[in-house]
Amino acid sequence: AQKITQTQPGMFVQEKEAVTLDCTYDTSDPSYGLFWYKQPSSGEMIFLIYQGSYDQQNATEGRYSLNFQKARKSANLVISASQLGDSAMYFCAMREGLPGSARQLTFGSGTQLTVLP
Amino acid sequence: DAGVTQSPTHLIKTRGQQVTLRCSPKSGHDTVSWYQQALGQGPQFIFQYYEEEERQRGNFPDRFSGHQFPNYSSELNVNALLLGDSALYLCASLRGREGNYGYTFGSGTRLTVV
Repeated sequence: AQKITQTQPGMFVQEKEAVTLDCTYDTSDPSYGLFWYKQPSSGEMIFLIYQGSYDQQNATEGRYSLNFQKARKSANLVISASQLGDSAMYFCAMREGLPGSARQLTFGSGTQLTVLP
Repeated sequence: DAGVTQSPTHLIKTRGQQVTLRCSPKSGHDTVSWYQQALGQGPQFIFQYYEEEERQRGNFPDRFSGHQFPNYSSELNVNALLLGDSALYLCASLRGREGNYGYTFGSGTRLTVV
């Protein structure tokens, strides 16, 4: 079974508008962490935001926020006020286990976001 | 503060050959992981090195092997290359057991097998 599911292969958004990228996950481990990465055409994976399974509040980092719904096992990324430079591939990833376990990341298949001028 | 450095950036090899990819982790990081990213897909975990030992391994054949040096840098070796090994190979580092959000990725090595 897929551990990380991203159902939107491609998304378009108008510049300055907000966009939500979907991510659902599957794990039986009560301790886990969820990550969002941005991958421009250059290939580098750029860390955007992190949410721990025990975190009470949704994570926010500047224009990025994570809509964490634990019961639904979803961790959607919200980008506010989109910019042309936000056009890239976005990946949701999960680390099972506690933060100190340094376990590997499991990635979804990604969503290609295109910001239109 | 240099991030994760990978070399070479691009590589073309012939089927059946062997290849070595290199990674220097971010300053202060001592754990290195390798991922394979086929075109249009998400990265797949290959293995992780910590204290010069392989600690975790994904579902990859023994043709994929690695090494970590005392300075924490790492190599990924792939023997008997197949066309299907063509991919972007990403290296990620983090500091020891602080795996909260310490994964820093390099820009990758794009390997083409012909």
